[in-house]
Parts: sequence; structure tokens; C-alpha cells
Amino acid sequence: EIVLTQSPGTLSLSPGERATLSCRASQSVSSDYLVWYQQKQGQAPRLLIYGASNRATGIPDRFSGSGSGTDFTLTISRLEPEDFAVYYCQQNDYSPRTFGQGTKVELK
Amino acid sequence: EVQLVESGGGLVQPGGSLRLSCAASGFGFSAFGMHWVRQAPGKGLVWVSLLNADGSSAMYADSVKGRFTISRDNAKNTLSLQMNSLRAEDTAVYFCARHGGGVSHGALDIWGQGTMVTVSS
Repeated sequence: EIVLTQSPGTLSLSPGERATLSCRASQSVSSDYLVWYQQKQGQAPRLLIYGASNRATGIPDRFSGSGSGTDFTLTISRLEPEDFAVYYCQQNDYSPRTFGQGTKVELK
Repeated sequence: EVQLVESGGGLVQPGGSLRLSCAASGFGFSAFGMHWVRQAPGKGLVWVSLLNADGSSAMYADSVKGRFTISRDNAKNTLSLQMNSLRAEDTAVYFCARHGGGVSHGALDIWGQGTMVTVSS
């Protein structure tokens, strides 16, 4: 099973700041199959980024994804109030599909 | 509107059974694989199961293999999860989600709102 380790566990930032979230895989994952989701409290997850770097429909361009192999990054260039949430990476390359444990972006 | 709506959650005793349903609308259900994902209270997302578009091939997390069965009725646009031999550790919100096609390479692109399953005596 591929283990995805996200860091940091919590990121305390202010609106307008840049957020950098890391997702590290226990073995190499094809970029095509690395995905990022956003989940707000009490809501279902929402697809943000697929194929490591492609924004899903309706996702603002302040969200960007990058990386390859075992190291992937989600960047939020300037935090808006609605961006404070938990972010999960996921790999769809191998079964079982696995999620990272999440990074919470909280208001400082 | 593209939508997934789960139902069937509730309180069940350890060792009991429950059947979850997910009603799809607004898209060609029979053309997409479908997942179940769960989230224990205050915890992260855990993938549970995937069924391909025609229902011929299923995958399961080791933690539910042999106890849970995923199925679908494409004529009724419905996905199901039969859960048997339930344990306390199965307590979670269960989400159904669409396996995205094309260039998304299976990203879970549409999610339901979830249904809560509580396993407790």
C-alpha cells in the first residue's frame, strides 16, 4: 500500500499569505494519478487539482499543484477567507487508493 | 445538476448489517466508475471501494474485504454498499463519489454529501 504523508499537519496563516502544502509518497506515483481535494467543516470534499497540476473546473488560479515521483506540492498563492479548510492528497495509481492524512490550513 | 445523494445510514449494533445507497442524477451514470469513501468522526478520508462502470469489477480496502459488497443498478442510476459484520471501527460518514473520466485519470470529481453510520451497542 502506498502511504501518502502530508506536511505540515496544520498551517496557521493570515489572509493574503502564501500556503505551501506537501505530499510525500512512500513510492513513486505517476503524476497523472495524484489528486488534491479541499474539505470544509461539515462538507463533502471537493476536487481541486488532478494530474498533479491541473485545476478542476471552477477552481481559481490561486491554487496550483506541482511535483513528480514521490514529492508533490499544493500552493495557494494568496489565501482568501474561504480557503481555510483541510486539504488532502490522494493517489489513484495503485490499489488500494490512498489518501494523505490531511493538512489543516487555519486562520492565524 | 450533477448530483449524488446518499441514504441508508443509521445506528446498528456490532455484528449487524446495513445497506447504503447513492442516487445519481444529472450525468450518464452507467458510463462512470463509482467509489465509496469514509471518514470517521474527526479523522481523515479513507478509500473503501471502487466499482467499474458496468459493475463487472470491484476493488476493496483490506479493512472491509469480505464484509462489504459494492454493487450498482445502472437502470436505476443507483450505487449500493452492503455492509455486513459491522464493527465499531466502521463508524464513519460514508461518501459516494464519481470516478472521473478522461484526462482526470480517475480523480473523484463529484461527491455526495455523505451518510452517517454508527456502530454501537
